Amino acid sequence: GAVVSQHPSRVICKSGTSVKIECRSLDFQATTMFWYRQFPKQSLMLMATSNEGSKATYEQGVEKDKFLINHASLTLSTLTVTSAHPEDSSFYICSARDQWQHSYNEQFFGPGTRLTVL
Amino acid sequence: AQSVTQPDIHITVSEGASLELRCNYSYGATPYLFWYVQSPGQGLQLLLKYFSGDTLVQGIKGFEAEFKRSQSSFNLRKPSVHWSDAAEYFCAVGARNTGNQFYFGTGTSLTVIP
Repeated sequence: GAVVSQHPSRVICKSGTSVKIECRSLDFQATTMFWYRQFPKQSLMLMATSNEGSKATYEQGVEKDKFLINHASLTLSTLTVTSAHPEDSSFYICSARDQWQHSYNEQFFGPGTRLTVL
Repeated sequence: AQSVTQPDIHITVSEGASLELRCNYSYGATPYLFWYVQSPGQGLQLLLKYFSGDTLVQGIKGFEAEFKRSQSSFNLRKPSVHWSDAAEYFCAVGARNTGNQFYFGTGTSLTVIP
């Protein structure tokens, strides 16, 4: 149980285009999903917290208009990188929190999406 | 402020040798603690977690970790390392409040030599 998927696993796009990344909780309902960014050889940096049915909360320094997050259902959150540029190239990882494990705050991580902007 | 420190950026061990990866945290109360492993180009796999109770927790792949409140540490150990253990290891602290935020350490890269 507690499986999180991401799609696509890899994407290459041209500079100036937009890319959408999906994060799905496959066998549980996730009221909260998190989006992280990871640069090569570095740790995960939290970008935003996505709550189902409400606006995402962005970390300081993360551009809301560039990284659009939508959490329309209890099993799906999307991250759209708008007008992508080469500096947006990174590994994006989502995680989801099972609402039935509220007291334990455990997050389940997706396999990540490698974005390359040419 | 909450933070996680992994003092060792890179560790090299021989196959069959024991392993200890260090993790120190700063948190105002008893945290939730996690260890994750990440292979190149892959997502995170949970090795083990501590929420409460017994301070020595067992995880997958023969790993264990011990929570030491007095030292604010949660070190990961394995008695005999296998070549397949080569990967990046991340320690994380989860907040017990409604923020639910995870704080990750900078990671320790493990190389296993034959």
